[in-house]
Amino acid sequence: GESVGLHLPTLSVQEGDNSIINCAYSNSASDYFIWYKQESGKGPQFIIDIRSNMDKRQGQRVTVLLNKTVKHLSLQIAATQPGDSAVYFCAEKGGTSYGKLTFGQGTILTVHP
Amino acid sequence: DAGVIQSPRHEVTEMGQEVTLRCKPISGHDYLFWYRQTMMRGLELLIYFNNNVPIDDSGMPEDRFSAKMPNASFSTLKIQPSEPRDSAVYFCASSSSSGAGGTQYFGPGTRLLVL
Repeated sequence: GESVGLHLPTLSVQEGDNSIINCAYSNSASDYFIWYKQESGKGPQFIIDIRSNMDKRQGQRVTVLLNKTVKHLSLQIAATQPGDSAVYFCAEKGGTSYGKLTFGQGTILTVHP
Repeated sequence: DAGVIQSPRHEVTEMGQEVTLRCKPISGHDYLFWYRQTMMRGLELLIYFNNNVPIDDSGMPEDRFSAKMPNASFSTLKIQPSEPRDSAVYFCASSSSSGAGGTQYFGPGTRLLVL
């Protein structure tokens, strides 16, 4: 059939729950990873980053976990709030491509009051 | 800092017209990126510059698209002639080679509708 656009993964949670958004990456040479949040009608906004020599980094209510063995990245949001509703993108930077990021397709997070 | 500034925020034009999108990167950033976002293809990198020099324009869809960066504080993306399939949100982003890893900071985008 015809493609009607990207079918983004979706995650629905209740306010106050913890959210986990996952991302698989393909380039084993990637050395830097970023999570972005994009609210409706706005540009992607930096949330948190992590280098490949780390496996965990914490921010305010957010934690990023990196598993290089299986090339997996996750974003954990504690005590999710309605204002966290957005599309979340992971991005990776290859070791030899300074400046250029490769973005994932995104995950839609919906937080119900 | 004001962040990345883009203008116009919205543009409606007719097929065949020339469209010019403008971007002012964050002061001191030496990388500038142009992206296009649509429901069909998601976020696509069109072109990026380092120190005002185009580094990779492999994402530019066709010759109707061109981008320039005459100085460190200004870049344009031009579409001539525009077509309805160019309708999308166009983002500009900038980053610094002295920053951690190369985090890109995005502007608010220009929403382009070609009729």
